[in-house]
Amino acid sequence: DQQVKQNSPSLSVQEGRISILNCDYTNSMFDYFLWYKKYPAEGPTFLISISSIKDKNEDGRFTVFLNKSAKHLSLHIVPSQPGDSAVYFCAASADYKLSFGAGTTVTVRA
Amino acid sequence: NAGVMQNPRHLVRRRGQEARLRCSPMKGHSHVYWYRQLPEEGLKFMVYLQKENIIDESGMPKERFSAEFPKEGPSILRIQQVVRGDSAAYFCASSPIFQRTSSGNTIYFGEGSWLTVV
Repeated sequence: DQQVKQNSPSLSVQEGRISILNCDYTNSMFDYFLWYKKYPAEGPTFLISISSIKDKNEDGRFTVFLNKSAKHLSLHIVPSQPGDSAVYFCAASADYKLSFGAGTTVTVRA
Repeated sequence: NAGVMQNPRHLVRRRGQEARLRCSPMKGHSHVYWYRQLPEEGLKFMVYLQKENIIDESGMPKERFSAEFPKEGPSILRIQQVVRGDSAAYFCASSPIFQRTSSGNTIYFGEGSWLTVV
């Protein structure tokens, strides 16, 4: 059962432009959402999170938006940089257990 | 480096052998989680442990897999009689404590252990 879905397996964006990654979830009990970034052959690195009591959280170039009614969240990266090329995982939890999406591979073009 | 430490990073085992993966949590963290990533998939929860306690092993296959987090030493994920389908990346993560707050539960991952069964 895929409770967290990232429907875009890949995204290509020009350096300096905005990257928008999307994530949908089905479990209404989820109340905490996270984004992780992963390079090949490395572990996921925590990027940013948001609680269900908020609809936006910003940290530098990264902003996460949460739409609870639509069960949808998105990650905005502005401006995109070459080092942002990686796989981005959306995760959600209702307790200690994280449910992950399958990931979106972002490629930032020079 | 006070991050989550996993070893070995890469492990090759023949079918039927045993695989042991070790994880030392971040300094100050007493909760350990193991996740598995199969090719082209997201990470899947396997087990959640505290020192000397298995809190939730609902994601672990019922047979051949076991995990422990002893009072002293690293957490160990053990896979007995490995099969080709066990080939995956195994990630350990840790957190200081799980608190049911608006801050949720952010966990921090290690570099992973890549198991290849030949």
